[in-house]
Amino acid sequence: GQSLEQPSEVTAVEGAIVQINCTYQTSGFYGLSWYQQHDGGAPTFLSYNALDGLEETGRFSSFLSRSDSYGYLLLQELQMKDSASYFCAVRDGGRGKLIFGQGTELSVKP
Amino acid sequence: GAGVSQTPSNKVTEKGKYVELRCDPISGHTALYWYRQSLGQGPEFLIYFQGTGAADDSGLPNDRFFAVRPEGSVSTLKIQRTERGDSAVYLCASSFTVLDTEAFFGQGTRLTVV
Repeated sequence: GQSLEQPSEVTAVEGAIVQINCTYQTSGFYGLSWYQQHDGGAPTFLSYNALDGLEETGRFSSFLSRSDSYGYLLLQELQMKDSASYFCAVRDGGRGKLIFGQGTELSVKP
Repeated sequence: GAGVSQTPSNKVTEKGKYVELRCDPISGHTALYWYRQSLGQGPEFLIYFQGTGAADDSGLPNDRFFAVRPEGSVSTLKIQRTERGDSAVYLCASSFTVLDTEAFFGQGTRLTVV
């Protein structure tokens, strides 16, 4: 089976940098994704890592270490609008079916 | 449409009743997924379709849940004899193919069973 662990809550101040970690256990690995979800909103795709290393997209970066079954999402220059829940997810069986972690609620304070 | 559309946005039903939740995916997307999300939890996989066929329904909790996608576009999730434990947000997502790494989610249907 698949399981993912991530912190339940993280708090940071505007302008700061925050890292949200995710560890996973899978029977086969086909990539780690990150989604953002604002309260009452739809999850939206942020990034996907299939290979080790860092992927950068604007203020957001995502890192993967397959040997450690570990990844993280790095958010820089935090803004109030970044307050949301962040989910890591693995693809099950190489198809689009996603298995999500429990989510990390990020609160950005002024 | 521009995005994944789900209707209704909210549904309140009495225990024991039957409900249907509709998902209209992005035009041209062949893969469609249903998830269920409880408060403070991550989305939980229910079923996905590749075209008209259910490719994986392993997440459906029991035989009260059923989903169809007869023409390979709109999908309906059907729940019979609803129970209070079925209360959750039901999310639909679509992608161009099942191999795509990005899924596009709808706003969800909030189901409340009273």
